[in-house]
Amino acid sequence: AQKITQTQPGMFVQEKEAVTLDCTYDTSDPSYGLFWYKQPSSGEMIFLIYQGSYDQQNATEGRYSLNFQKARKSANLVISASQLGDSAMYFCAMREETSYDKVIFGPGTSLSVIP
Amino acid sequence: NAGVMQNPRHLVRRRGQEARLRCSPMKGHSHVYWYRQLPEEGLKFMVYLQKENIIDESGMPKERFSAEFPKEGPSILRIQQVVRGDSAAYFCASSPGWGQVNYNEQFFGPGTRLTVL
Repeated sequence: AQKITQTQPGMFVQEKEAVTLDCTYDTSDPSYGLFWYKQPSSGEMIFLIYQGSYDQQNATEGRYSLNFQKARKSANLVISASQLGDSAMYFCAMREETSYDKVIFGPGTSLSVIP
Repeated sequence: NAGVMQNPRHLVRRRGQEARLRCSPMKGHSHVYWYRQLPEEGLKFMVYLQKENIIDESGMPKERFSAEFPKEGPSILRIQQVVRGDSAAYFCASSPGWGQVNYNEQFFGPGTRLTVL
């Protein structure tokens, strides 16, 4: 079974608008962490944001925020005021404490920012 | 403070040859992870190592692939007798141990792109 699901293979957003990238996850582990990574066309993996399963507040990092809904097992990434440089693949990922810290990645969403 | 370093960045091998990919973790990091990204796919976990120990190799193919993280020197991912299906980007990540600052985050290297002809 898929541990991480990203249902949007591709997304378009107008420059300066906000966009939400969906992510749902599946785990029975009470302790886990959720990540978002950005992979531009150059190929490197860039860490964006982290949310722990016990964190009470939604994580925020600059223009990135994570809409964490634990009961729904969803961890959507919100990018505010999109910029052309935000065009990239975005991967949602999870680490379960009982799995020796390995990170499980979703299939990714390709985001294109339109000028 | 240098980030995670991987070399080579690009590697071309013919079928049947060996590929050796190297990863130097960030200074102070004792945990190393290897991931493989096939074209148009997300990253797939391969192996998790600490110094001189393989902690979890559940994602490693049973044959031809091996990994090590010696006491001194970089971590090595070794692929013997490469086949075309091994063509992929191989990423290394490192993190500090549990309880240390930033232990939540895995810092990724730039990746090695392996092409098998």
